[in-house]
Amino acid sequence: DTGVSQNPRHKITKRGQNVTFRCDPISEHNRLYWYRQTLGQGPEFLTYFQNEAQLEKSRLLSDRFSAERPKGSFSTLEIQRTEQGDSAMYLCASSWNDRAEQYFGPGTRLTVT
Amino acid sequence: GDSVTQMEGPVTLSEEAFLTINCTYTATGYPSLFWYVQYPGEGLQLLLKATKADDKGSNKGFEATYRKETTSFHLEKGSVQVSDSAVYFCALTPGGTYKYIFGTGTRLKVLA
Repeated sequence: DTGVSQNPRHKITKRGQNVTFRCDPISEHNRLYWYRQTLGQGPEFLTYFQNEAQLEKSRLLSDRFSAERPKGSFSTLEIQRTEQGDSAMYLCASSWNDRAEQYFGPGTRLTVT
Repeated sequence: GDSVTQMEGPVTLSEEAFLTINCTYTATGYPSLFWYVQYPGEGLQLLLKATKADDKGSNKGFEATYRKETTSFHLEKGSVQVSDSAVYFCALTPGGTYKYIFGTGTRLKVLA
């Protein structure tokens, strides 16, 4: 069990650029979640997948955000036309079937300048 | 809507002191409740959980009991160590969904 991995760990980009993050869940987990965490706050839910199907999206996930999980394994989160307000830690988590507990990756810290 | 409220930090204690971090929630249905811990420079780790009323979750000397009547899930430890210094997050999954709703976190500092 290698845990949830995320790449890159850090990303600095200029406002208006597009960025893409990758998450590799624990191999047998069928559910995958994305959260966003800003300084001093708890993580906020963005979206989640069961296998390749995106089942729920938060209102926080504006049209500039898109997430995919094409083969039910790894997932990508893309942010188009980044804004300074997008600066945050983006967390990925995974879980197995009806087990409620989620296992988190180390996160990708995005800084938009 | 569903929400989690945690006591504000930082909480500063001396080693071997008793710890309580308060957590209350608002949720429809029957949520599952969790405590996660984030050590400096590390990711979120599950500390303990409880999935139904009156359940007690426990791990590493920490305990929390799911109290439906008071909608609370307070975290306790009888004797804290310097190594317990971290940020603690209370979270719930509302009934019928799998997403987490987190509190804002409580920073704990334990002094030797």
